[in-house]
Amino acid sequence: SQQGEEDPQALSIQEGENATMNCSYKTSINNLQWYRQNSGRGLVHLILIRSNEREKHSGRLRVTLDTSKKSSSLLITASRAADTASYFCATDPNSGGYQKVTFGIGTKLQVIP
Amino acid sequence: DAGITQSPRHKVTETGTPVTLRCHQTENHRYMYWYRQDPGHGLRLIHYSYGVKDTDKGEVSDGYSVSRSKTEDFLLTLESATSSQTSVYFCAISEGSNGRQETQYFGPGTRLLVL
Repeated sequence: SQQGEEDPQALSIQEGENATMNCSYKTSINNLQWYRQNSGRGLVHLILIRSNEREKHSGRLRVTLDTSKKSSSLLITASRAADTASYFCATDPNSGGYQKVTFGIGTKLQVIP
Repeated sequence: DAGITQSPRHKVTETGTPVTLRCHQTENHRYMYWYRQDPGHGLRLIHYSYGVKDTDKGEVSDGYSVSRSKTEDFLLTLESATSSQTSVYFCAISEGSNGRQETQYFGPGTRLLVL
């Protein structure tokens, strides 16, 4: 079963608008990561936020983490057509020993020019 | 794609034949992973490796085997391909500092069609 679940599964916005995607997870984590996948390509790492961090920025990206609610959000500000892609969250569980990072199903973002 | 190559990039094969996919990295990263990606399922882990000759099963390992005889190469074998194994296969690597996997870097993917 998927540890991380993104919401919504699909999102369509106009260029210039902000896009917000959410990720919920079930168990405690060491960190949470967001990835982007353009059509027909591999995933590309965007940002990692550790369990002791609440917010992180990278360019037009803002990620928040609420460990009490076991949720994270990815905000893309002033979206561009080039941001059209699928976005995945991935969680690194904190349950002792070696645990595998697990990915959600993703949010498909379409930015309309 | 961060020094990761996958071969072949596309393959069409017939049911019942063995297929081997290769992942090669030039980053000397400790961890290597094989995922499959299917509509509605996202990425699912097939097998992973945490060192040479050290491998373990992932979520969907039935019908697949792996080998890692060198740090840079991780092979995925479909012992007897079935139509349900038609998918896009991604290899990924991560450095694994302090025992954590953290950022993964993905290869370009292999599209496999089993007829």
